[in-house]
Amino acid sequence: DAKTTQPPSMDCAEGRAANLPCNHSTISGNEYVYWYRQIHSQGPQYIIHGLKNNETNEMASLIITEDRKSSTLILPHATLRDTAVYYCIVRDTGTASKLTFGTGTRLQVTL
Amino acid sequence: ETGVTQTPRHLVMGMTNKKSLKCEQHLGHNAMYWYKQSAKKPLELMFVYNFKEQTENNSVPSRFSPECPNSSHLFLHLHTLQPEDSALYLCASSQEGLSSPLHFGNGTRLTVT
Repeated sequence: DAKTTQPPSMDCAEGRAANLPCNHSTISGNEYVYWYRQIHSQGPQYIIHGLKNNETNEMASLIITEDRKSSTLILPHATLRDTAVYYCIVRDTGTASKLTFGTGTRLQVTL
Repeated sequence: ETGVTQTPRHLVMGMTNKKSLKCEQHLGHNAMYWYKQSAKKPLELMFVYNFKEQTENNSVPSRFSPECPNSSHLFLHLHTLQPEDSALYLCASSQEGLSSPLHFGNGTRLTVT
């Protein structure tokens, strides 16, 4: 079972920041938070991951709360091409390193 | 380009056919995965291979038979499938033992008639 909770859908205006929340209240100390997105009929695309510090790359920023029970993915300037389903996943790299997907958040970016 | 290539992109097969899905990764990873994505359902893990050894079989029916001849190639052999097996089959790879992410191919869209 997925260990995260995400809203089923969100809207964002093009050019504005998209802030996608994720709750992972049962996360353990050696579990990372990963974010992926899936555009229709394509494979999931890796976005970013983190353990406890905030992370930023060319695609997005990841903000993890101090207690690690929730996180937010930030797309700073959303475009129409960012319309996709976004998945927040916790993953223990001490095991088989598999990803367990939930139902994600469907982000719709509009003009 | 994700570094993980799946062929074919689309496949239509009858219930009595035998076919194979192919996955190749060019990332130097040592772990490979098969996932299944049915309509309106979350991705489901099917198999995990770590250094060419199968480390997980997620209660997959025997009509799906994986093969991992080396760390760069992964196959999924299909025989006597059912219409409910129609789905997007996704391959992924990663570097086992680190926090490195899984990288996915764009999948094979399978239709069983």
